[in-house]
Amino acid sequence: DAGVTQSPTHLIKTRGQQVTLRCSPKSGHDTVSWYQQALGQGPQFIFQYYEEEERQRGNFPDRFSGHQFPNYSSELNVNALLLGDSALYLCASSPHGVEQFFGPGTRLTVL
Amino acid sequence: QKEVEQDPGPLSVPEGAIVSLNCTYSNSAFQYFMWYRQYSRKGPELLMYTYSSGNKEDGRFTAQVDKSSKYISLFIRDSQPSDSATYLCAMKTGTASKLTFGTGTRLQVTL
Repeated sequence: DAGVTQSPTHLIKTRGQQVTLRCSPKSGHDTVSWYQQALGQGPQFIFQYYEEEERQRGNFPDRFSGHQFPNYSSELNVNALLLGDSALYLCASSPHGVEQFFGPGTRLTVL
Repeated sequence: QKEVEQDPGPLSVPEGAIVSLNCTYSNSAFQYFMWYRQYSRKGPELLMYTYSSGNKEDGRFTAQVDKSSKYISLFIRDSQPSDSATYLCAMKTGTASKLTFGTGTRLQVTL
């Protein structure tokens, strides 16, 4: 049984560019959440998707947007990248419940 | 003041020791409490999940929640070098989708 998968593993972008990160949830999970983890910090909630709708959003600017597809996979888009957007981006899936299972993350570096 | 406080460590213990990891929180609406283990440059792995107050045991791991003191703990018995990782506490309310994390405690188990 495959767990949560994310792509790409690493990404290097320059300031002002746009990036798209992808996530496939664990089999049987219909809810996907995205988190940003800066070095030495705990993950910070960006938003959660369920039934292709954004269900809750954290304290992140509109430059961060997302989408969920009918097969429950999800994308995170970040526009107008800033140096401070450099972080590990984590996707978590859950079976419409409390427990959230994380993928390996995408490490984004903004130069 | 952060909603969830966690000592970042590092905490260094000899192999075989009992490890105690702790978090305090300020939001009395938190009802679900989780512990994740995160190895360097990997995604967090769910170790324990507890609802409301009480104890939960799983192998060498015991999670305790004291809602009256707003204090949660994770105990690791017979610690092994493979337990060396960062341990993150996380919690959520009954209605929110997001997990709120502590900053993580870095644990090193030495031979």
